[in-house]
Amino acid sequence: GAVVSQHPSRVICKSGTSVKIECRSLDFQATTMFWYRQFPKKSLMLMATSNEGSKATYEQGVEKDKFLINHASLTLSTLTVTSAHPEDSSFYICSARRGEDLTAYEQYFGPGTRLTVT
Amino acid sequence: AQSVAQPEDQVNVAEGNPLTVKCTYSVSGNPYLFWYVQYPNRGLQFLLKYITGDNLVKGSYGFEAEFNKSQTSFHLKKPSALVSDSALYFCAVRDRYKLSFGAGTTVTVRA
Repeated sequence: GAVVSQHPSRVICKSGTSVKIECRSLDFQATTMFWYRQFPKKSLMLMATSNEGSKATYEQGVEKDKFLINHASLTLSTLTVTSAHPEDSSFYICSARRGEDLTAYEQYFGPGTRLTVT
Repeated sequence: AQSVAQPEDQVNVAEGNPLTVKCTYSVSGNPYLFWYVQYPNRGLQFLLKYITGDNLVKGSYGFEAEFNKSQTSFHLKKPSALVSDSALYFCAVRDRYKLSFGAGTTVTVRA
């Protein structure tokens, strides 16, 4: 169990357009989902924490108007990169934490989405 | 803030030899520690965790980790490495509601 999917796996978009990435927990309910950005061969940078039914909590330095996060249900969170620029090109990874066990601190990760902005 | 450090960017071993990936931690209170592995262009896979209890934690794919409080370490080990273990490994620590990751260690196992 504890499978997290992301869609799409790869996306190429033009500068100035917006792109939406979906993160789904397939076999468990996730009250909390996380969005990370990863540069090549680098560690994960937490962008924001997404809580079902409430506003996301963004990390310092992350533009909330540029990276819109919606967590509309217990199994789905979306990240929308608005007015994308080439510097937004990156590998975006989501993760989810099981909702029913407050001591379950481990996160289950999606396979990632490779975004390329041309 | 809680943090972990992975002192080695790269670890190279021959197949069949023991593999160790190092991690040290800095926390206030009891540490909740994790190891994850990432294959190219993939998300992270959970290997194991230490919350409390036995200092030797066994995880997936034959990996284990030893929690050492006096040395503030949580090294990942595998007695006999496989070529398929070649990947990027991350140590992480619970930091309030989130995980704080180390910089990662690239493991290369040569045949």
